Amino acid sequence: DTAVSQTPKYLVTQMGNDKSIKCEQNLGHDTMYWYKQDSKKFLKIMFSYNNKELIINETVPNRFSPKSPDKAHLNLHINSLELGDSAVYFCASRHTGDNSPLHFGNGTRLTVT
Amino acid sequence: AQRVTQPEKLLSVFKGAPVELKCNYSYSGSPELFWYVQYSRQRLQLLLRHISRESIKGFTADLNKGETSFHLKKPFAQEEDSAMYYCALSAGTASKLTFGTGTRLQVTL
Repeated sequence: DTAVSQTPKYLVTQMGNDKSIKCEQNLGHDTMYWYKQDSKKFLKIMFSYNNKELIINETVPNRFSPKSPDKAHLNLHINSLELGDSAVYFCASRHTGDNSPLHFGNGTRLTVT
Repeated sequence: AQRVTQPEKLLSVFKGAPVELKCNYSYSGSPELFWYVQYSRQRLQLLLRHISRESIKGFTADLNKGETSFHLKKPFAQEEDSAMYYCALSAGTASKLTFGTGTRLQVTL
């Protein structure tokens, strides 16, 4: 299946821990994103990578560190997790240059206790 | 700066009634507008984009540059239309897609 896939689907962890969320797309897109959807369903961009290069970095705490080993992967590592990090994190990808639509992963529901 | 506003958090309509989900944007250039939908426990997916000028699942949206709006409409709501709807804007060469805060559409019998 051609898709954006992210793992894990659910992640429950304690405050202070470090965790990673992985994302892979096999759509041949050159740009990938991480979005955060909070409890009020508000969707906000966190990062964007184009061909492994960081191009968008919104005001996200530096505890969040994206890593793109190649243009098909964009992983999100979070250090010292806090209660406020609880949210659904969506990975997405698209072709750039022609305002093409985003393709989203299924989301990772992170719960910090 | 680009901004997308969806004034309604929740829109509740009866089955068969017309639906209009409002979206206004601010951007100085020529934007590309999209509507995304998120059904319960599913991924966000593209519903339609203004450049295609198409109707998907009975929904249409017209870009009104004078009013800077891109409202989503459907003449007769169906139960399966119940979902979260996000209006989004992509502008210029920037890769960022800016989303509105979303509107939950609830279609009741």
